[in-house]
Amino acid sequence: NAGVTQTPKFQVLKTGQSMTLQCAQDMNHEYMSWYRQDPGMGLRLIHYSVGAGITDQGEVPNGYNVSRSTTEDFPLRLLSAAPSQTSVYFCASSYATRSGRASQETQYFGPGTRLLVL
Amino acid sequence: GNSVTQMEGPVTLSEEAFLTINCTYTATGYPSLFWYVQYPGEGLQLLLKATKADDKGSNKGFEATYRKETTSFHLEKGSVQVSDSAVYFCALTGNTGKLIFGQGTTLQVKP
Repeated sequence: NAGVTQTPKFQVLKTGQSMTLQCAQDMNHEYMSWYRQDPGMGLRLIHYSVGAGITDQGEVPNGYNVSRSTTEDFPLRLLSAAPSQTSVYFCASSYATRSGRASQETQYFGPGTRLLVL
Repeated sequence: GNSVTQMEGPVTLSEEAFLTINCTYTATGYPSLFWYVQYPGEGLQLLLKATKADDKGSNKGFEATYRKETTSFHLEKGSVQVSDSAVYFCALTGNTGKLIFGQGTTLQVKP
């Protein structure tokens, strides 16, 4: 298994440009999520999905869109990049959370995409 | 709401020293608790976890005990190595299943 893969590894954008960060997993995980990592702030949840066709917002969703048409793929779209979106982006996946109780499932992370917006 | 607080870093130790990284949490209900590690240039990977009170998670010589009475999940290792140099994140999942992270603690181990 390749696990969780992300492309590209590194990207430079100009303010106002759009792009899509790709994320794929081959573990048949229902739950997928996107985080951004900024110095001194840990990882913050952007969007997540509990299955194909279902997405929801996390802690910092503004400026980002997602869709989940298949179990394997969960792309993150920046429609109009801003310098505040300069960050390292991680995609993660796990088996689905159990409703009504905290999830005990381990999340598996991709290697990250480093994004610089000028 | 749910939150995780870790001790600020960086933590600098000599090889074979004892390590403690403090982590406390605020959560409703019965969260699961995790420690993730991020080696330079890589993504996060699970180090250990505990899913109920008094559980002890352990892996690669690291240990952490789920203490509900003190809402803590401190990470310990008896003898660190240079290869343990990394950023360590404490995290929890609450009732929604979302993973909430602390800010991370950088560990640097010198030979």
